[in-house]
Amino acid sequence: AQSVTQLDSHVSVSEGTPVLLRCNYSSSYSPSLFWYVQHPNKGLQLLLKYTSAATLVKGINGFEAEFKKSETSFHLTKPSAHMSDAAEYFCVVTRNRDDKIIFGKGTRLHILP
Amino acid sequence: EPEVTQTPSHQVTQMGQEVILRCVPISNHLYFYWYRQILGQKVEFLVSFYNNEISEKSEIFDDQFSVERPDGSNFTLKIRSTKLEDSAMYFCASRLQRGRGPQHFGDGTRLSIL
Repeated sequence: AQSVTQLDSHVSVSEGTPVLLRCNYSSSYSPSLFWYVQHPNKGLQLLLKYTSAATLVKGINGFEAEFKKSETSFHLTKPSAHMSDAAEYFCVVTRNRDDKIIFGKGTRLHILP
Repeated sequence: EPEVTQTPSHQVTQMGQEVILRCVPISNHLYFYWYRQILGQKVEFLVSFYNNEISEKSEIFDDQFSVERPDGSNFTLKIRSTKLEDSAMYFCASRLQRGRGPQHFGDGTRLSIL
């Protein structure tokens, strides 16, 4: 069975400090993993993707994520938060052998001035 | 950059009425999806569509729901007799490749059932 767990429903960081949004997955088959961001009243924008190439993946807006198979994790990080990063972030896993797509529950990121 | 477009952005409908949500996927994409996000809840998969057929559907996608690709560009979601609990944000997505490729999402249609 496939599942995605985003461990924090809310994360607050100060502007200029590092961001860590946690995601753990389980998948019976080789997964592809994605992070999406959703700003208020907007659609889902792809931040980055892992599809079995390099384990450290760089995305847009300074975000990156590292695929750690031993920990079944795909945490999203950014060295320095910006006010414009305030949004909802979703970790998504898909199974490469078919079209099963599972969303995490989302983490709302708050940026404190 | 090509994008997925959805219309309308907001749809208000009386309970029991039929509603059609429209999507124009990215032109060379082959796989199409609908998702639902009830206010304050997670994004839920509804259905995937490929080669003019449904390839996967969730438990939510019951007989009240149908999808269609009536021409080469549009991809529609129809809810035959809406219920209050159908109120949600509905997202369309498309992708070029199955499995590994990322999905590209539209901005969504907010459906409000009165």
